Amino acid sequence: EPEVTQTPSHQVTQMGQEVILRCVPISNHLYFYWYRQILGQKVEFLVSFYNNEISEKSEIFDDQFSVERPDGSNFTLKIRSTKLEDSAMYFCASSELISGTAYEQYFGPGTRLTVT
Amino acid sequence: AQSVAQPEDQVNVAEGNPLTVKCTYSVSGNPYLFWYVQYPNRGLQFLLKYITGDNLVKGSYGFEAEFNKSQTSFHLKKPSALVSDSALYFCAVRDGGATNKLIFGTGTLLAVQP
Repeated sequence: EPEVTQTPSHQVTQMGQEVILRCVPISNHLYFYWYRQILGQKVEFLVSFYNNEISEKSEIFDDQFSVERPDGSNFTLKIRSTKLEDSAMYFCASSELISGTAYEQYFGPGTRLTVT
Repeated sequence: AQSVAQPEDQVNVAEGNPLTVKCTYSVSGNPYLFWYVQYPNRGLQFLLKYITGDNLVKGSYGFEAEFNKSQTSFHLKKPSALVSDSALYFCAVRDGGATNKLIFGTGTLLAVQP
């Protein structure tokens, strides 16, 4: 069964450093998403991406964040200058379009980002 | 604004007994409702969805959920619990076609005792 994959599984970085989290969505899916879950809190939406552009973003997704689909298979989340409060589990998800609508989202295993 | 409430942090049930994990929601438009399960060190795994149609929807691993519009609820159920069902369960909602953004509940830990 096709799965969303994410690398790395755990990333430790120093405050102020740039990090890139990588995801390979399911191959025939066209909608891509990033969510995050701070320890002990809810899973929160960050951004959705379709047709090579951001379709929706949350207030969390400020200028420090960017997303990119650099090739036909990868989808990345970049945090330009990490802060301590960026420490969280980051989930990538993808969904297919059925008659122009995206329904269920399939999630990857997550990347645990620790900012020290 | 969209929101989801899972009123129970933990549900305990004996193996073989029926289980219910509760979820209530609030959206301004038509709700698209989802249940996900998370096992330790794994991602969120899709279980089932309600978009339209029959109020009782069936999903993976014998789970089902009942949509109740008047009570704005979407409770997850299973007739006979297994120890292997023990995991963290998340309810999620989106506001129909207006957005693809999922709003998640806080999660309910299901513990099935042998």
